[in-house]
Amino acid sequence: AQKVTQTQTSISVMEKTTVTMDCVYETQDSSYFLFWYKQTASGEIVFLIRQDSYKKENATVGHYSLNFQKPKSSIGLIITATQIEDSAVYFCAMREGYTGANTGKLTFGHGTILRVHP
Amino acid sequence: EAAVTQSPRNKVTVTGGNVTLSCRQTNSHNYMYWYRQDTGHGLRLIHYSYGAGNLQIGDVPDGYKATRTTQEDFFLLLELASPSQTSLYFCASSDPDWKNTLYFGAGTRLSVL
Repeated sequence: AQKVTQTQTSISVMEKTTVTMDCVYETQDSSYFLFWYKQTASGEIVFLIRQDSYKKENATVGHYSLNFQKPKSSIGLIITATQIEDSAVYFCAMREGYTGANTGKLTFGHGTILRVHP
Repeated sequence: EAAVTQSPRNKVTVTGGNVTLSCRQTNSHNYMYWYRQDTGHGLRLIHYSYGAGNLQIGDVPDGYKATRTTQEDFFLLLELASPSQTSLYFCASSDPDWKNTLYFGAGTRLSVL
């Protein structure tokens, strides 16, 4: 069974600094997909970035990047030059497999609250 | 950008009542999902579907039924609502390829008194 764990409940940082949020996962599959989503104060949930397990290069989108450490089953989200509007809840998620009973199923972690202070 | 619309946005019902939450997506996505969000639990998958007439069981299905009537419409049914089902419910759909990036609706806040 797939499992996603975010151990950091909340993080506080100063504006314009770099922050890393941790996520570890469990899977039996050799091929899987890892995602990070952001939930704003209004409740809106938006997709940020994805890492395909078969790719060695870390994904980067804007000021978001990933630290993918496959041997450790770890996918950290790095936000550089943080802004006040980055304050939100960040969720890590995983989809495993191409076929079978869990095809299409995404499992989320419990989320990490990020507070960016001026 | 995918458009996922949930209705109602807020709902209050009593214990034992019937509730139907609706979700419509307008971008021809195959997969649709219902999640509930509770403090301390994150997002938990209730049911999902990969097409009209299909239903897959999620991780917390007890007390919920779902039905996918068309590719666009996915409904969540609570036939005997209980206070434990008070939660924020999100519908989502995923893009046509197999990587399943989700696009979420705005959420429905349900209170069961």
